[in-house]
Amino acid sequence: QSALTQPASVSGSPGQSITISCTGTSGDVGGYNYVSWYQQHPGKAPRLMISEVRNRPSGVSHRFSGSKSGNTASLTISGLQAEDEAEYYCSSYTSGSTVAFGGGTKVTVL
Amino acid sequence: QLQLQESGPGLVKPSETLSLTCTVSGDSLFRSGYYWGWIRQPPGQGLEWIGSIYSSGSTYYTPSLKSRLTISLDTSKNQFSLKLNSVTAADTAVYYCARPSIPMALGPPDFWGQGTLVTVSS
Repeated sequence: QSALTQPASVSGSPGQSITISCTGTSGDVGGYNYVSWYQQHPGKAPRLMISEVRNRPSGVSHRFSGSKSGNTASLTISGLQAEDEAEYYCSSYTSGSTVAFGGGTKVTVL
Repeated sequence: QLQLQESGPGLVKPSETLSLTCTVSGDSLFRSGYYWGWIRQPPGQGLEWIGSIYSSGSTYYTPSLKSRLTISLDTSKNQFSLKLNSVTAADTAVYYCARPSIPMALGPPDFWGQGTLVTVSS
């Protein structure tokens, strides 16, 4: 069982917006701004999409945005495209001086 | 540009020790002030943080693996290593080495190696 809770799957049509949630506790997501999101295509290494809750690294599309409210972080993908179909993971620093991951969310473009 | 590359045996027998090395280029392990970490992903499953080591040598391990795990630095070779003893089939996974972009912060990594598959089987 993962420390952070994500929905198993989210789907949307091309051009739509979708949001993936990542729920933790005050000891991880709610207590720190070290929350990141990753995109992973099959057979590939995870790719950083969002760091520190809402920072988008160079090269990542502006269609990806991050936010946090209380113990829940969110990743929003706007203008959904076929290439966005992948697994997405959230991650957070924890009060136990560890790093937690969510169980992953499969994004399907209909 | 920071680059990380994992290396080590792809097949380990049950009860033996899994040993992997991460070779770093584009940064100095000794002077960096960063946390260098290991993450694994069993086939078809999610990501699991294994542990990290600071450039001073301080280590941080996930509690479930702590009794079997050692992460160490070899600053002369600019490498850090993972040793996991008494392995079982449950330790079969793709193993990644990684590093955050923020100095002195033990947090989710920004930079990842390409990963290496380790299979535990007799």
